Amino acid sequence: EIVLTQSPGTLSLSPGERATLSCRASQSVRSSYLAWYQQKPGQAPRLLIYGASSRATGIPDRFSGSGSGTDFTLTISRLEPEDFAVYYCQQYGDSLRTFGQGTKVEIK
Amino acid sequence: QVQLRESGPRLVKPSETLSLTCSVSGGSVSRYYWNWIRQPPGKGLEWIGCIYSSGSTNYNPSLKSRVTISADTSKNQFSLKLDSVTAADTAVYFCARDVLTTWGDYYYGMDVWGQGTTVTVSS
Repeated sequence: EIVLTQSPGTLSLSPGERATLSCRASQSVRSSYLAWYQQKPGQAPRLLIYGASSRATGIPDRFSGSGSGTDFTLTISRLEPEDFAVYYCQQYGDSLRTFGQGTKVEIK
Repeated sequence: QVQLRESGPRLVKPSETLSLTCSVSGGSVSRYYWNWIRQPPGKGLEWIGCIYSSGSTNYNPSLKSRVTISADTSKNQFSLKLDSVTAADTAVYFCARDVLTTWGDYYYGMDVWGQGTTVTVSS
């Protein structure tokens, strides 16, 4: 079973700054199997990125994903007030799904 | 526009079975995977398992011995049963759809989610 480890646990930034979130897998993950989600308090997660780098429908282009193998990155180019939330990476592999433990992006 | 809605008891006694149903509206259950995910209070997301529209299932190895996911395609619903619950099973339970290509070479992520339902395990 593949374990996803996200870092940092918490990222304290100001609006307008760039956010870089990391997701590391315990073994190689096919890029086409890696997704990212945003979750705000009291809400269900929202799909941001699939296939490691493809934005889901309606997702602004300030969100971008990259990476391959065991290291993947979600970048928010300029933080908007509505971007402060928790972000999860998730992978599909061997018919199973696993999530990382999440990174909280908070207002500094 | 596809929408999902979870339903079921909000309070379950320890050692009993947790049962939830996810109703799918605005679309068909065919050719998609239907997932259950949970989130304990203040914690992250945990995938429980999924069912494909054909009826095949896959479960989180850590929960496999206690989980059953089934589907009723005539009602556009799928269900979760979790046996022998304890306080550790207290969580918000979400249902979600995900998409995998026919040959399994591309995964499109969980693109539709229910709003979640809180289940508390307590006597």
